Amino acid sequence: NAGVTQTPKFRILKIGQSMTLQCTQDMNHNYMYWYRQDPGMGLKLIYYSVGAGITDKGEVPNGYNVSRSTTEDFPLRLELAAPSQTSVYFCASSDSSSSYEQYFGPGTRLTVT
Amino acid sequence: KNQVEQSPQSLIILEGKNCTLQCNYTVSPFSNLRWYKQDTGRGPVSLTIMTFSENTKSNGRYTATLDADTKQSSLHITASQLSDSASYICVVSLYNNNDMRFGAGTRLTVKP
Repeated sequence: NAGVTQTPKFRILKIGQSMTLQCTQDMNHNYMYWYRQDPGMGLKLIYYSVGAGITDKGEVPNGYNVSRSTTEDFPLRLELAAPSQTSVYFCASSDSSSSYEQYFGPGTRLTVT
Repeated sequence: KNQVEQSPQSLIILEGKNCTLQCNYTVSPFSNLRWYKQDTGRGPVSLTIMTFSENTKSNGRYTATLDADTKQSSLHITASQLSDSASYICVVSLYNNNDMRFGAGTRLTVKP
C-alpha cells in the first residue's frame, strides 16, 4: 500500500491564482481530512469527509473548497489564493472502524506571493 | 476555548539520555489523546492513542501518560537515539473524534 499520497510536493502561486491540491489514499478509509500547518503552530483542520459525497467544514475553511466523489480521492481547491494561505498542507485518512488513528500524507508546501 | 499547550518548545539532549515532554489541554468534552512524531518535511506519524480511562500507553521506548483529572499528559522517551530528533505533537480529540486540536509541538534534538 502506498498509504496517503499528495501532489504536488511544492507550489508557488501568485495572488489571485487558483489551484487544486490532490490527495489519494489506497487503504479504503472512509474518513479523510485536510489540515494546514503554519510555522510554530499546531495543525488546523480545514475540511473533512466521513465518506464519498459527504464533506464538512473544520476550524479554518474560509478560502477553500473540497469534494469527495470517490472513497480514494479528496482534493482541496484554493480559489483566489492569498498570502495568508502560504502554509504546509497535510491530507490524512482514517478507518472509522478502528480507533480513529489518522494516517498522514507527506504534505504540500504552498507559497503565495 | 479548546486549547492544547506543549512544553518545552524545544529540547536538546545527548544520545542515550531520557526525556519527558509535557502536554496540558483544556479541550472538553474529551475523547482521546494522541502523541505524534513528525520528522522534518514529513507528515505526523502516530505513537500512542489513549482514551480518558487509560493512564499509560507504551510503544517501544515511548511511554505516554494521561491524567484526565488535571488534563495533563506526558511523553517519556527512554534511551534516546539520534533518530528520535523530530517534533512531538500532542493531539486531543473532542467527543466526535473528527474535531482534533493539535499542540504546536516540542522540537527534540538528540546530539551524539
